[in-house]
Amino acid sequence: ETGVTQSPTHLIKTRGQQVTLRCSSQSGHNTVSWYQQALGQGPQFIFQYYREEENGRGNFPPRFSGLQFPNYSSELNVNALELDDSALYLCASTDPGQDQETQYFGPGTRLLVL
Amino acid sequence: QKEVEQDPGPLSVPEGAIVSLNCTYSNSAFQYFMWYRQYSRKGPELLMYTYSSGNKEDGRFTAQVDKSSKYISLFIRDSQPSDSATYLCAQSDDYKLSFGAGTTVTVRA
Repeated sequence: ETGVTQSPTHLIKTRGQQVTLRCSSQSGHNTVSWYQQALGQGPQFIFQYYREEENGRGNFPPRFSGLQFPNYSSELNVNALELDDSALYLCASTDPGQDQETQYFGPGTRLLVL
Repeated sequence: QKEVEQDPGPLSVPEGAIVSLNCTYSNSAFQYFMWYRQYSRKGPELLMYTYSSGNKEDGRFTAQVDKSSKYISLFIRDSQPSDSATYLCAQSDDYKLSFGAGTTVTVRA
């Protein structure tokens, strides 16, 4: 069974640009959550997708948006990048056979905005 | 006030010592409590998962939850250099996890 995978592993963008990050959930996991982890901080919840619909959202502006596809993979899009968007972006998936609170994380995409 | 406060560390202990990690939380609605381990440049890995108050043991790891004082702890017995990592406490609020800032632990051989 493969775990959660994310691409790319690293990315460098300039302020004002747009970025798309991708996540493949663990096999059979139908819920995907995205988190932002700034250096030296814990992950902060961005949003969650369940059955291709946004299921909940944290305190992030609308320029952070997402998609979930029928195969449960997901994308995180960030428009008008700001310097403070530099962080590790983590995707986590949830097994429908377990409690919703049990989330399994991917290795993350490290984004640097210059 | 942050929902979850975690002792920032860092913590450095000799091999074989007991590591004690602590968090406090403010939202009394939290029912599910987790500890994640994160190695450098990796994603968090779920270590322990408990529901409501009480203790849970898994090998060298023990998690404690005291809902009356809104306090959670993780103990690592017989610590090993491979336990060197950042440990994150987390609480579940329906669909999202709220994390502490993490405590970086170094176990010296």
